[in-house]
Amino acid sequence: EAEVAQSPRYKITEKSQAVAFWCDPISGHATLYWYRQILGQGPELLVQFQDESVVDDSQLPKDRFSAERLKGVDSTLKIQPAELGDSAMYLCASSLGLGGTDTQYFGPGTRLTVL
Amino acid sequence: AQSVTQLGSHVSVSEGALVLLRCNYSSSVPPYLFWYVQYPNQGLQLLLKYTSAATLVKGINGFEAEFKKSETSFHLTKPSAHMSDAAEYFCAVSDSSRGFKTIFGAGTRLFVKA
Repeated sequence: EAEVAQSPRYKITEKSQAVAFWCDPISGHATLYWYRQILGQGPELLVQFQDESVVDDSQLPKDRFSAERLKGVDSTLKIQPAELGDSAMYLCASSLGLGGTDTQYFGPGTRLTVL
Repeated sequence: AQSVTQLGSHVSVSEGALVLLRCNYSSSVPPYLFWYVQYPNQGLQLLLKYTSAATLVKGINGFEAEFKKSETSFHLTKPSAHMSDAAEYFCAVSDSSRGFKTIFGAGTRLFVKA
């Protein structure tokens, strides 16, 4: 069964350093999502791509976060510089289409710890 | 505006007992509703979804949920809990008023006692 791949699974960094996360969605899925999940809370959408275009990045802290999906396939989320409050699980998901009923398939996540 | 409220951050049941996880939503237009499960250190997996067809939705692993518009609820149930059901459960909503952005509740952690 096809899965969403993410790496690394765990990342420990010091504040003010740069970090990057990678996501490879299920083949053929046009829509890719990055979520942040703080411990004890539900996932919060950071950015959504339709192919290589950003559909929604309203909750992305653009002063330090950036995301790209250059060829409309895999994607990278970057934080520079990292802050203590960025410690969280970063989840990537993909879906076939853009509609609200489409099932989102989640990767295992990257757990970020900022010291 | 849309939001999701999950009543009870923790629920504990005995193995074989009924599982009931509560979810209430707010939406100004007809919603789409979802339940996801998350096992430790894993991503979320869809259990079931309501897409305006039948109000009683059956999902994987014996779970089901009923959409009740009058109560703005979408509670998740399972007749008999199994140890493997111990996990975090998230209710989520999306609708056209927010461009179908998925909004997740805070989650309910289910504990199953032997």
